[in-house]
Amino acid sequence: DTGVSQNPRHKITKRGQNVTFRCDPISEHNRLYWYRQTLGQGPEFLTYFQNEAQLEKSRLLSDRFSAERPKGSFSTLEIQRTEQGDSAMYLCASSLVGGQYSYEQYFGPGTRLTVT
Amino acid sequence: AQRVTQPEKLLSVFKGAPVELKCNYSYSGSPELFWYVQYSRQRLQLLLRHISRESIKGFTADLNKGETSFHLKKPFAQEEDSAMYYCALSGGSYIPTFGRGTSLIVHP
Repeated sequence: DTGVSQNPRHKITKRGQNVTFRCDPISEHNRLYWYRQTLGQGPEFLTYFQNEAQLEKSRLLSDRFSAERPKGSFSTLEIQRTEQGDSAMYLCASSLVGGQYSYEQYFGPGTRLTVT
Repeated sequence: AQRVTQPEKLLSVFKGAPVELKCNYSYSGSPELFWYVQYSRQRLQLLLRHISRESIKGFTADLNKGETSFHLKKPFAQEEDSAMYYCALSGGSYIPTFGRGTSLIVHP
């Protein structure tokens, strides 16, 4: 296990198209987080899963966004009818909550989305 | 609501000079504070957390509840410290709020 992985690393799409990103967390981690990062800003929380349950969603997550984590393993983030404002880096992170290091998150390399 | 402020977008120093990256926070409860670092072409990674009170790569950060600050310090900067640094705060839900980041450039 080499850490959190994300695919694709880059995605260019036309406005109005749907896109889907995948995140594979560290295998023993029970939490998975999605963030969005735009230029000049820190990561902004979108949503997180505890095992397979989606427990919280940010108000940043519009109805066009949906995330799943079937079987509590990998997760997908889908954006429908993309808009130019969706252009950003989408980060995934995982953590093991319940022990001494519950707060520590391990980040993936991100998927950079460009909507033209 | 929780908020993290990093007032400096860019901090430029020479090698060997002291470094202080500022972070102020707003949170009504008892916060968990962190510094994350992102080196060029690498992923975001945890640098240190306040509760561990350890020094990582020569960096330390002390939580000052009176001033609601968690500044990151290093007495002698090295060129390899050049990176983006993000201060983050977690409340009880383990969901961090990040500051906008400070770019540290250490000149030779």
